[in-house]
Amino acid sequence: AQKVTQAQTEISVVEKEDVTLDCVYETRDTTYYLFWYKQPPSGELVFLIRRNSFDEQNEISGRYSWNFQKSTSSFNFTITASQVVDSAVYFCALSLVRTSYGKLTFGQGTILTVHP
Amino acid sequence: GAVVSQHPSRVICKSGTSVKIECRSLDFQATTMFWYRQFPKQSLMLMATSNEGSKATYEQGVEKDKFLINHASLTLSTLTVTSAHPEDSSFYICSARDPLAGANVLTFGAGSRLTVL
Repeated sequence: AQKVTQAQTEISVVEKEDVTLDCVYETRDTTYYLFWYKQPPSGELVFLIRRNSFDEQNEISGRYSWNFQKSTSSFNFTITASQVVDSAVYFCALSLVRTSYGKLTFGQGTILTVHP
Repeated sequence: GAVVSQHPSRVICKSGTSVKIECRSLDFQATTMFWYRQFPKQSLMLMATSNEGSKATYEQGVEKDKFLINHASLTLSTLTVTSAHPEDSSFYICSARDPLAGANVLTFGAGSRLTVL
């Protein structure tokens, strides 16, 4: 069975600080997708990034960056110069290529609070 | 990206009553939709896959007679919680594949918070 672990339950930072959200996953499959979603207080999940298991290249999108390392089964997410609007719950998730694309295994989520 | 709309966003009902939650795909057709459940401060769990024109596929441990799913059109799936009880109180979120975002990317609705008294 698949498992996604986000060890940090809650993180609190002051605006402009950099913050890294950790994600460790477990699967015996060799082909899979990894995701990060953001859930603001309004409730909807906002898609941030998808990575497939063959692509270990790190990605940067504005203040967001992701570090995918298969050797440690980690897919960490860094927010640079955090802002109050970044306050939300962030979920890391995994789906297998061989199963339904709709079946995501989510981590427990990390509550990020950015203080002014 | 694509938008998935859910209604109602919040519902409070008495124990023993049934509640229907609608999930609509706006501006795109979704032959398949997915219903997730999220307990307070917890992760999301897939409950079932809703298939247009056929029966839903339920995940292990989900009571199909308790959570009725109907996918009558290419843009609408409904989840009915029958004979609701306080333990059914939860946040229910539907999703569909975002046709603009590439393979395996789901777009989620804003969720429906059900409170059963």
